[in-house]
Parts: sequence; structure tokens; C-alpha cells
Amino acid sequence: IAGITQAPTSQILAAGRRMTLRCTQDMRHNAMYWYRQDLGLGLRLIHYSNTAGTTGKGEVPDGYSVSRANTDDFPLTLASAVPSQTSVYFCASSEHPGQGYNEQFFGPGTRLTVL
Amino acid sequence: GQNIDQPTEMTATEGAIVQINCTYQTSGFNGLFWYQQHAGEAPTFLSYNVLDGLEEKGRFSSFLSRSKGYSYLLLKELQMKDSASYLCAVRDSNYQLIWGAGTKLIIKP
Repeated sequence: IAGITQAPTSQILAAGRRMTLRCTQDMRHNAMYWYRQDLGLGLRLIHYSNTAGTTGKGEVPDGYSVSRANTDDFPLTLASAVPSQTSVYFCASSEHPGQGYNEQFFGPGTRLTVL
Repeated sequence: GQNIDQPTEMTATEGAIVQINCTYQTSGFNGLFWYQQHAGEAPTFLSYNVLDGLEEKGRFSSFLSRSKGYSYLLLKELQMKDSASYLCAVRDSNYQLIWGAGTKLIIKP
């Protein structure tokens, strides 16, 4: 059982290029999340999906888009990368959104550098 | 605004006890989580509190006071492998997690 996988592990990208970060989970979790983690700051939510077919905006959605065509996959796209999007990106999932003991499981992360 | 405060860094000795504090001001409260994150790795879940009081899980315990907007994580019998960052997160009124910046814990022999 892999849990959550992310690809690529790391990437160096020229500013202005389009990039899709991939995320796949095999736990049949309903909810999925994309975070970015920057030094000195907490994890910040970019976009989330409470169930397949629905998505929502988090704290820092500008410059990013997501889709949730099925339960397992939740790709994050940077339409035109900028240097401020240099960060470590984590995908996470939880069995259900919302209440109760409902921990989030994290993928290994993608380290993205935009030059 | 929403705010979660934790100390940036703490140092402790192997075998000792350390308490990592977290204070929060959020729009609503639907539970508080502690995660551990080793350098270069993903966060992993440690504990969850939704009611006031102490939750014990082996060497780790977590305490919550909702009236004070305060939690702490207590680590006993520290081991070198406990060197990591510890992240406090609060689930807000929208049921999303708001994260603190994390406390880097350094364990010395």
C-alpha cells in the first residue's frame, strides 16, 4: 500500500512555464488537499476537494488550479510559474472532510524551484 | 485574523522531558492537531484534542484548554529520533486546518 504518491520529487522550472504536480492516493479517501510550505511559515492551504467532482479555494489559491475527476487523483497546475511559487508542495488526504478525529495523511512532497 | 503561535526552536537533553506550547486565535474551533515533521520529510500525525484535558499516547501527551486558546505537546524520555519539527494545527469554522510555523526541537546527548 503506497498511501499518497507525488510526482515529480523535485523540479526546476523557468518562469512563465506551465507545470502540473501530480498526486495520487490509494486509500479511497474522500477529501484531498494541496499545501505549500515555506521556511518560517506554516503550511498554507492552496486548494482542497471534499469529494470527487468538487473543489474549493484555500488561503493562497492565486496562480494555481486543481481538478478532481476521480477519487484517487488531485493534480495541481501552475499556469504560468513565477519565482514566488518556489516552495515545497505537499498533497494530503483524509477519509472525510470536516468533523471528528479525521487526520490528514501527507505525500512525500514536491520541491519546486522557479527561476 | 487567524493566528497560531509556537516557539521557533527548543533544545532539550536526551532522556529529559520537554513541553512545546501552542496558542491560537481562530475563527471557530473544531479540534487541534499535533504533527511531527522530520527534516525533508512529510508531516505525520501525532495527536488530536477536541475537548479540554490531557490525551496520553505513550511517550507523547497533548493538552488542550479551549477557554485559554492554548495547547501543549509533552514529550517524555526524549530520544535522539525525536529531533524534528512539531506542528500545531487548528481546524477552524470552515473545517480547514490552520497551521502554526512549527517548533524545531533539537535533542542533545
